[in-house]
Amino acid sequence: EVQLLESGGGLVQPGESLRLSCAASGFTFSTYDMHWVRQAPGKGLEWVSGITGSGGSTYYADSVKGRFTVSRDNPKNTLYLQMNSLRAEDAAIYYCAKRGYMDVWGEGTTVTVSS
Amino acid sequence: DIQMTQSPSSLSASVGDRVTITCRASQGISNNLAWFQQKPGKAPKSLIYAASSLQSGVPSKFSGSGSGTDFTLTISSLQPEDFATYYCQQYNSYPLTFGPGTRVDIK
Repeated sequence: EVQLLESGGGLVQPGESLRLSCAASGFTFSTYDMHWVRQAPGKGLEWVSGITGSGGSTYYADSVKGRFTVSRDNPKNTLYLQMNSLRAEDAAIYYCAKRGYMDVWGEGTTVTVSS
Repeated sequence: DIQMTQSPSSLSASVGDRVTITCRASQGISNNLAWFQQKPGKAPKSLIYAASSLQSGVPSKFSGSGSGTDFTLTISSLQPEDFATYYCQQYNSYPLTFGPGTRVDIK
């Protein structure tokens, strides 16, 4: 069964950092682009970042560029999102999703940014 | 960036109704469009990709059409489990973008 499982969310203060992980199973992880999508409370879906299967190319929304870094460890079948200089507006549920048309999603991990 | 719009933003419908949701892209995206269903407290679920291809395991009451800038999602006969929010998403170019969503609730 194809599965994605996010972890690493939590409560942080503004300006702090957090690293999210997404463990993949049931498919050949290195073959697929992977993405992070977030959803603030009561809001719609916002694409955050993407990375090619090899990890050679990365992409970011303007709202996180320069603060967030996406990476992957293909032998460990894991996707990461390093989030620095967190702001209140980064508070959301963060989902990882497989390939450009996001055929598989994880359950999400919640990031809360508050002083 | 490609902007995605959806109409209506919400609709009320009855069980058995045929429902159509429209999604428009600010520039041509070929058929690189996906549709998702999201229920409260749950992750989005993929319904359709490539504008009209049904995701594995998704019932055939869902269908998609369109190409270029104008797309539609149709639910042929609305059932209680279909009351949810529906999003379109373009994956033609970065940044990937979603529509604002269409909430479908019970009349």
